[in-house]
Parts: sequence; C-alpha cells; structure tokens
Amino acid sequence: GAVVSQHPSWVICKSGTSVKIECRSLDFQATTMFWYRQFPKQSLMLMATSNEGSKATYEQGVEKDKFLINHASLTLSTLTVTSAHPEDSSFYICSAREGTVLYEQYFGPGTRLTVT
Amino acid sequence: EDKVVQSPLSLVVHEGDTVTLNCSYEVTNFRSLLWYKQEKKAPTFLFMLTSSGIEKKSGRLSSILDKKELFSILNITATQTGDSAVYLCAGDNYGQNFVFGPGTRLSVLP
Repeated sequence: GAVVSQHPSWVICKSGTSVKIECRSLDFQATTMFWYRQFPKQSLMLMATSNEGSKATYEQGVEKDKFLINHASLTLSTLTVTSAHPEDSSFYICSAREGTVLYEQYFGPGTRLTVT
Repeated sequence: EDKVVQSPLSLVVHEGDTVTLNCSYEVTNFRSLLWYKQEKKAPTFLFMLTSSGIEKKSGRLSSILDKKELFSILNITATQTGDSAVYLCAGDNYGQNFVFGPGTRLSVLP
C-alpha cells in the first residue's frame, strides 16, 4: 500500500529558530500534499495544500511567511516553521494524494514539534 | 462555512459493549464522508461512504450514511480495549479538501 513518511518524528527547538519537516511519498508520486496541524485532544486542522511545482494554497488564518511549504518534487514536500515560538508547538501531519481522488489520501506518521 | 460535528465528544464503555458514534456535516459540494481511527499518531482510514443507506462493514465496525439528513454513524460491536482511540469523521468537498470533525474519544475499559 501507499506509504508516506515524515522526518523527523519529533523535534525540540529553541524559540526563534526555524525547523524543517519533510514529508515523503515512498512508493507513489504525490501530485498533492496536505499539511495538517493538531493540538492535544483536538481535531486535524488543514493548514495548506501544495501541488508539485506550484505555490501552496494556505487556509485562512495560516501565516504563509511563518509556515513555508515547498513541494519541489512528486515525492517530497517540506514544511518550515520559521522563527518558531512556543505556541507553534504542535503535532504536524502531512498527507499525500497520488491522483485526483481525494479520499485516497495517505497520512504520514506525524511530527511532534516542541518549541522551548 | 463547511462544518462537521461529532457526538459524543468522549465516551467510556466496558469491553463487550456496543457503541454508536455520530457525525453530522454541512459541506458544500459534498462528495463523500470518511471515518478514521486515530491512536497515538496519524489517523488510519476506516470507511469511505458516498451513497445513502448502504452499510459498510469491516469486522466489528460498520458505518452508514444518510445524505438526506446529512448524517453518518459508526457502530462498533463487542468493543475491545484495542478500540480505544479518537474516531474522526471528515467530509470531502469534491476534491478540494477534507473538513474534519472534532473527533470522539472512545475509551474501552476492561
């Protein structure tokens, strides 16, 4: 089956630094990748949708300059949290879609970010 | 604005009980409703429902969609402690994105 990986699985960083999270589709080409954020005991909130080779589409309220998304290839998307602050601490999950069928969306294992 | 509501938000039962989780949705250009199980990490796919009245089953889990009432239920029979998780439902707005509900946190006690 389709496998999506994320790296790192967890990261601790200091306030003011930037953190990059990678999302890879291992056995398929992901035309679209989605980035979600999840707070403890809360649901998944879509942050942005990225299509390979084009700019990401951000959801309302998500700061583009703070959460930089790059979908440089059909197997890799990155999320960079710039100038991280403690309130950015969260669980970030990516998902990838091979074609145009949205329900065939495969989730990565997630990355837990803690900003101290 | 698209919205998905789930109830109850949390539920505690004992092994062997049967539970019903509810999901109602208001999603423009609705195409399908999906159920996921989330334990410690990312959600795992359970069901995708597109047609009203057709029950989908997988072992002790089953789900059905009512497109007239904009509603779906997820049933789990003979619950086990391994069923303890957060169950998320999501509306698919025709390929744009998923709208997730808040989830139902199910705890199954031995």
